[in-house]
Amino acid sequence: AQSVTQLGSHVSVSEGALVLLRCNYSSSVPPYLFWYVQYPNQGLQLLLKYTSAATLVKGINGFEAEFKKSETSFHLTKPSAHMSDAAEYFCAVTNQAGTALIFGKGTTLSVSS
Amino acid sequence: DTAVSQTPKYLVTQMGNDKSIKCEQNLGHDTMYWYKQDSKKFLKIMFSYNNKELIINETVPNRFSPKSPDKAHLNLHINSLELGDSAVYFCASSQEGTGDTEAFFGQGTRLTVV
Repeated sequence: AQSVTQLGSHVSVSEGALVLLRCNYSSSVPPYLFWYVQYPNQGLQLLLKYTSAATLVKGINGFEAEFKKSETSFHLTKPSAHMSDAAEYFCAVTNQAGTALIFGKGTTLSVSS
Repeated sequence: DTAVSQTPKYLVTQMGNDKSIKCEQNLGHDTMYWYKQDSKKFLKIMFSYNNKELIINETVPNRFSPKSPDKAHLNLHINSLELGDSAVYFCASSQEGTGDTEAFFGQGTRLTVV
């Protein structure tokens, strides 16, 4: 069965510091993986997705993620955090039938000045 | 123009009442979904419709009934509301099922049952 595990429910960084949000997946088929961001009281917005075209995926707002099959990981990074990056981040994998997203429990990113 | 719009945004109601949440998408997508986000922010699929046909019906009480009058609309009706139904409900849409395609989410409906 498909699943994702996000390590760390809360990550705090200083403005300008590296952001690293961890996601490990379990999948019985080649996975489609996603990172979504949720700002307070808003819906989810796609940051980036992995669909097997390239292992290093670049997304919006300077975020990127690297698919590592050997480590079953899809960690999200950003070289320099901005205050506006403070939000909830969700890693997700498509279910086996490709008909819905299975989400991790989310990681709250706090950015301090 | 909002791509996926839900109404209402907030809904406060008493236990035992029946309520509906409406969702419309103007993206021309074939597939629409309802997700539930609980108080711990955990998101879980409830229903998925493709071209007005039910594709996914996760383990959800039968008090919840989705209705898709056409490809652009997917409404959620909830009977006999319970305290545990309090959550944020998100409507989403995508082209031809999730697969590798992006799902677009509405702003959410925060349901509070008192």
